[in-house]
Amino acid sequence: ETGVTQTPRHLVMGMTNKKSLKCEQHLGHNAMYWYKQSAKKPLELMFVYNFKEQTENNSVPSRFSPECPNSSHLFLHLHTLQPEDSALYLCASSQARRAVPSYEQYFGPGTRLTVT
Amino acid sequence: QKEVEQDPGPLSVPEGAIVSLNCTYSNSAFQYFMWYRQYSRKGPELLMYTYSSGNKEDGRFTAQVDKSSKYISLFIRDSQPSDSATYLCAMRGGSNYKLTFGKGTLLTVNP
Repeated sequence: ETGVTQTPRHLVMGMTNKKSLKCEQHLGHNAMYWYKQSAKKPLELMFVYNFKEQTENNSVPSRFSPECPNSSHLFLHLHTLQPEDSALYLCASSQARRAVPSYEQYFGPGTRLTVT
Repeated sequence: QKEVEQDPGPLSVPEGAIVSLNCTYSNSAFQYFMWYRQYSRKGPELLMYTYSSGNKEDGRFTAQVDKSSKYISLFIRDSQPSDSATYLCAMRGGSNYKLTFGKGTLLTVNP
């Protein structure tokens, strides 16, 4: 495996379900990100982890819960989602120097989430 | 006013045409400017980046930044059907690592 991988690629869940999205990077990076991509909207940064520490929570509702057990893995735990949460969820990683992530982010293919 | 404005298109051109994609922005603190390309069912991939004002060329692609006008452009020469994708502009300040993205422009190059 190379680059940034995400599983599952597609997910359909009901509003009462609990599910998790997984991201793994094989690039030796130490910063990881979750983004939300909705139709006709810019990419929205959700969370940033730098050296496994969360450094950014962009006012994301608590029904989204991130977890970063190590620099290579990132999870997004989902519970009691709303239909408006349906979107493409993208994971990205980048190198970081002196705790400042690089601008050059490498993205995974995304998980297409549909909330019914 | 949105921080970054980008015409979503769609833009359709014949093969071989010169394509011009543009973004305007309002935050004068932005110093790093990037273009990402996103194919259907894929994540964005970094295409080019430019620091501050000026031009940068890479093969058929040229990125231009005009900080005085808060305007950035991506030119694609001799466009190919394989260039068909959504192009996203992104930018950030010098000390702030967060990227601010445009909505993306959907480009189709017809053979």
